[in-house]
Amino acid sequence: AQSVAQPEDQVNVAEGNPLTVKCTYSVSGNPYLFWYVQYPNRGLQFLLKYITGDNLVKGSYGFEAEFNKSQTSFHLKKPSALVSDSALYFCAVRDEEGSQGNLIFGKGTKLSVKP
Amino acid sequence: DTGVSQNPRHKITKRGQNVTFRCDPISEHNRLYWYRQTLGQGPEFLTYFQNEAQLEKSRLLSDRFSAERPKGSFSTLEIQRTEQGDSAMYLCASSLEDSPYNEQFFGPGTRLTVL
Repeated sequence: AQSVAQPEDQVNVAEGNPLTVKCTYSVSGNPYLFWYVQYPNRGLQFLLKYITGDNLVKGSYGFEAEFNKSQTSFHLKKPSALVSDSALYFCAVRDEEGSQGNLIFGKGTKLSVKP
Repeated sequence: DTGVSQNPRHKITKRGQNVTFRCDPISEHNRLYWYRQTLGQGPEFLTYFQNEAQLEKSRLLSDRFSAERPKGSFSTLEIQRTEQGDSAMYLCASSLEDSPYNEQFFGPGTRLTVL
């Protein structure tokens, strides 16, 4: 069965420091991976995706993610965290067993950036 | 604002009552998805439409749930005989048809509380 795991419920970072939010996946075929961010009282916002190609994917708001096939990971990174990055982050994988592109999400990681 | 919109944003109902939620996707998006998100969890797929056709339903979608997209534009999700376990955030998302790997754009959600 396909799945996504986000091993950390919460990540705490000081403003200006680099941040990493971890994600590992399990799929039977090629992985198609996404990161979304959720701010309070707002919908999920797309950050970036990996479909194929370069293992380092750049996305919105200065975020990037590194795809590692051997470690089945897709960690989200940012070189310098901002207080405004504090939010809930979700990793997702496209459901290959379904045919319509619905996503399977991890449980989410709460990112807290302190001044 | 040309994003995905959902109404109402909040709904409080008593157990046993019926509720209906509406989703207006981005106008040129043919694909429409419904997800359910409970506290501390990532969104879980419920059902999918391509234009007006409902092409996939999750096992999470019990017989009390029904969804429609009559003209291939807006969609409604109805829950009959609500139960306390139905309390959750109901999210709608849409995407372009040209690729199943296109990112999905999410609405702000409808938060349902069943008393």
